Amino acid sequence: GENVEQHPSTLSVQEGDSAVIKCTYSDSASNYFPWYKQELGKRPQLIIDIRSNVGEKKDQRIAVTLNKTAKHFSLHITETQPEDSAVYFCAASKSDFGNEKLTFGTGTRLTIIP
Amino acid sequence: AAGVIQSPRHLIKEKRETATLKCYPIPRHDTVYWYQQGPGQDPQFLISFYEKMQSDKGSIPDRFSAQQFSDYHSELNMSSLELGDSALYFCASRAGTGYYEQYFGPGTRLTVT
Repeated sequence: GENVEQHPSTLSVQEGDSAVIKCTYSDSASNYFPWYKQELGKRPQLIIDIRSNVGEKKDQRIAVTLNKTAKHFSLHITETQPEDSAVYFCAASKSDFGNEKLTFGTGTRLTIIP
Repeated sequence: AAGVIQSPRHLIKEKRETATLKCYPIPRHDTVYWYQQGPGQDPQFLISFYEKMQSDKGSIPDRFSAQQFSDYHSELNMSSLELGDSALYFCASRAGTGYYEQYFGPGTRLTVT
């Protein structure tokens, strides 16, 4: 089955700096890669996603890049703010019926230092 | 916009008891997923349903069962509860074929004592 690795496990950055979180996946058939933000005790919240037919996607301060050949994808957050502090999970899935379950990475605890 | 609804939000049970968790997907979403998240861990897929039929199964114990009803809500039934079942249980819904995004409910925090 799919295996998703995520690094780093913790990340501290100064407010206003950029943060980068990286993930690799094992199953070349995976074609959908979402990123979730989770605050303590709350639901995972979808913040951005990318499909395998696209190399990069941007939404305001966040962007995701995908390298299908190397099987890795990254989350980039620019101009970080204190409210960006949370645990971020990457995930991978396939779009074919019966295989859409999300396989998550182990998470990155991001702390923004004011 | 309407979101995924889960009930109850908190549940305390003793070992060997049973529990039923309910999930109401976003209106017009026909696919439901259940995930279990232990403390400090990532969510783990349990089971999914599409149009009231089981579509995929993950690491769900035999003590657990689930179903999706005609109104698309889903229930996760857990029997012979163990201390290790204490976790956050999330339900997520998806709009169906051609849609990729899964939207999570607020979760049910199950504590087994």
